[in-house]
Amino acid sequence: GDSVTQTEGLVTLTEGLPVMLNCTYQTIYSNPFLFWYVQHLNESPRLLLKSFTDNKRTEHQGFHATLHKSSSSFHLQKSSAQLSDSALYYCALSDNYGNEKITFGAGTKLTIKP
Amino acid sequence: GPKVLQIPSHQIIDMGQMVTLNCDPVSNHLYFYWYKQILGQQMEFLVNFYNGKVMEKSKLFKDQFSVERPDGSYFTLKIQPTALEDSAVYFCASSRQGEGTGQLYFGEGSKLTVL
Repeated sequence: GDSVTQTEGLVTLTEGLPVMLNCTYQTIYSNPFLFWYVQHLNESPRLLLKSFTDNKRTEHQGFHATLHKSSSSFHLQKSSAQLSDSALYYCALSDNYGNEKITFGAGTKLTIKP
Repeated sequence: GPKVLQIPSHQIIDMGQMVTLNCDPVSNHLYFYWYKQILGQQMEFLVNFYNGKVMEKSKLFKDQFSVERPDGSYFTLKIQPTALEDSAVYFCASSRQGEGTGQLYFGEGSKLTVL
């Protein structure tokens, strides 16, 4: 079946430094949708980014990610971390044009310190 | 944007009792999910549901758990009997088949406290 791997469970960074959260996936389908969801403390997860197009950079709210089908990756990046970026981040996969179920990674807890 | 409503937002019950968590998904959505999140931890998949059937469930979805959506009304998660380790926030989510994105829309969560 499908799987999503987020290698870091916890990431702690100092404000102003760049952010990179890793996400790799496995699927038998050739047209997956990849997502990043963000969950702030005491809130429900919400969509941050999504992508379907190979090698195209997607940006939202200062974050960006590029789907690379050759390496099955969809890493989340930001050039300069802010305190408000502290949250749980989930990478997720939907395959076959979104007609199948959505698979979430285990999540990465990002903590930004002053 | 589309809203998923969850009722109740918070429930406190005694161990061994039954609890039903209700979810009103986005009106034209067909896939439904329940996730469990223990305080301070990551969210974990419980079950997904489509066309009146459980499609997939995780190891967390114990025999005491059941889901249904009778006659297109609320999508419910029932726990009978409850145990102390069931204390968590339960998130419902829904998605629309064929939209081409599979994006999930989450409710605000139902916080369950088992005493």
